[in-house]
This record gives sequence, structure tokens and C-alpha cells, in this order.
Amino acid sequence: EVQVVESGGGLVRPGGSLRLSCAASGFIVTSNYITWVRQAPGKGLEWVSVIYRGGNTYYADSVKGRFTLSRDISKNTVYLQMNSLRPEDTAVYYCATHYPPVDWGQGTLVTVSS
Amino acid sequence: QTVVTQEPSLSVSPGGTVTLTCDLSSGSVSVGYYPTWYQQTPGQAPRTLIQNTNTRSSGVPDRFSGSIVGNKAALTITGAQADDEGDYYCVLYMGSGISVFGGGTKLTV
Repeated sequence: EVQVVESGGGLVRPGGSLRLSCAASGFIVTSNYITWVRQAPGKGLEWVSVIYRGGNTYYADSVKGRFTLSRDISKNTVYLQMNSLRPEDTAVYYCATHYPPVDWGQGTLVTVSS
Repeated sequence: QTVVTQEPSLSVSPGGTVTLTCDLSSGSVSVGYYPTWYQQTPGQAPRTLIQNTNTRSSGVPDRFSGSIVGNKAALTITGAQADDEGDYYCVLYMGSGISVFGGGTKLTV
């Protein structure tokens, strides 16, 4: 069964950093797209970034230059490194397979606050 | 900046039919945008309903269908049920690796 599980969320101060993980099972991360989507409290879904099978990465303008995607094949995990965090980055962050996303994780909450 | 627009809210009677739409500020929606539809209920992750315009995801009842109507992507629910109540989102692939979600439609049954 294809499954992704997010982890790494938490409380961080403005300007701080956090690394989210998306652990995959049922498939190899290099065989699929992995998409990140976030949802601020009470708001809609926002596309954040995607890593293609070949390793190309793309980012929404709102996070470009601050967020970076990478993957560790040995751990079958994709990472979202988030730097220079702002209060408006507060959201539940979901990872999902395919692009547009199909199989979603349950999300991990990131709170940026002083 | 490209904006994807959905009806903020819609209502449907149990057993009725409702169509939600997904519009583009800068032109017509076509299959080349790979419109995809999601349902989200409170506290839950999104659930994928329709991929690539009209392909139902595994386990999705056939009362959900996707299409292009005029210049918009559309999600039609035929024979709505109480547990169809929730928020519905569309996403369009814009090319060059970029996607944009619509603002979502709150559906009341």
C-alpha cells in the first residue's frame, strides 16, 4: 500500500528553521513525484513545492529562496528544509504522492510565533 | 498572478445534483491543466476524488464525476448524500512545475 507520513512540525520563532520529513512506504521515492501542500488555520489549500522523479524541484513564489526540497534514498524519505520562517508560514503541511497530488499524509503542524 | 476561482459556497438537497466549477482568471481551463478535485472534511486530510479532469480515484463513488464545461473544470455530484458535506478544492497545473489551488467551495447538503 502506498503511504506517506509527515513528521518534524512544531513551534519555531520567526526567522528560525525547521525540517519536515515525508517518509514513504509501498514505493521508492525516486519513482514518484512528492508534493508538499500547506493549509493555514481556517484557510484553503496552498501548493508549496514538488520534487520530480528525476530530482528537479519547484517552489511557490511565497517560499522560493527559503524552502528547499531534498531526498534520502536510503531512508526512502523526502525532506522540506524551511528557513527564515515567518508567521504566515504557520500551517498544517501535507506531503502527497504524484503531481497533482493523489495519496496524502495526515499532515504535520508548523507554528511560527514568538 | 494566476487566480483559480471556485464558488465560495453551494448547497444541495439530499438526492439532488450539484455542479462545482473551477475557473481560471487568465483564460479557459482545458485537460492540459490536469484539473484534480479533492474533498476535505473538518480535521481530516484532503481526499482525492477526481484526477486529470475525469478519472475517479480508487474507492470514490460513481456519483462523483469530473468534466470540462464551457471554459471551466467541473465536479458534479449526482444524488448527493449527507456525508458529501465538506470543502471541495480543485488544483490546476500551470506548467513549469507550478500548480495553483482554487479557494475552495463549502458544500452544504
